[in-house]
Amino acid sequence: RKEVEQDPGPFNVPEGATVAFNCTYSNSASQSFFWYRQDCRKEPKLLMSVYSSGNEDGRFTAQLNRASQYISLLIRDSKLSDSATYLCVVNGRGGSYIPTFGRGTSLIVHP
Amino acid sequence: DGGITQSPKYLFRKEGQNVTLSCEQNLNHDAMYWYRQDPGQGLRLIYYSQIVNDFQKGDIAEGYSVSREKKESFPLTVTSAQKNPTAFYLCASTHPFSGELFFGEGSRLTVL
Repeated sequence: RKEVEQDPGPFNVPEGATVAFNCTYSNSASQSFFWYRQDCRKEPKLLMSVYSSGNEDGRFTAQLNRASQYISLLIRDSKLSDSATYLCVVNGRGGSYIPTFGRGTSLIVHP
Repeated sequence: DGGITQSPKYLFRKEGQNVTLSCEQNLNHDAMYWYRQDPGQGLRLIYYSQIVNDFQKGDIAEGYSVSREKKESFPLTVTSAQKNPTAFYLCASTHPFSGELFFGEGSRLTVL
């Protein structure tokens, strides 16, 4: 079983739609969780950190469920510019943990 | 502004040549990483270093080498032993407390 699993998609949605991505992780010792956005041929960029209490940034909401070991990302009112690959990243703190990536979920928002 | 600088951004190499990709950071992070990404694929870990003068192989280290003589610098050499080196290479570091990853802009290597 992969350490971090994501549905690769693609998710093909119309503008204005709400779309949700999930990511599961296997290491229960994981301590920090992130969603990164990667555009074609570019480096990943931090979209949001994910906390147990959940966090929201405009149209984006991220949640962490430690008991079930998954994190989620909800995008409301999708824009064309949201089209990208969304990477789930699981890490620890301190020097002993290696960050682990999901393969990424591709989102295509069409007019 | 603090960050990670990778160079060169684009590099062309003939078969049989070694090339070195530069990665420099001014974030004062201990941990640094090299990833390879192929088209339509996820990131794969080549090498990582959690402290200066120490580094470890990742999942796909064969045909690559690294050094970590200074905290700021973590260069990657793609040797002629790497059979399929054409790829996008990303260098990253992690914040010691938050675990957040910081990436360079990447180096795109093409073997002619």
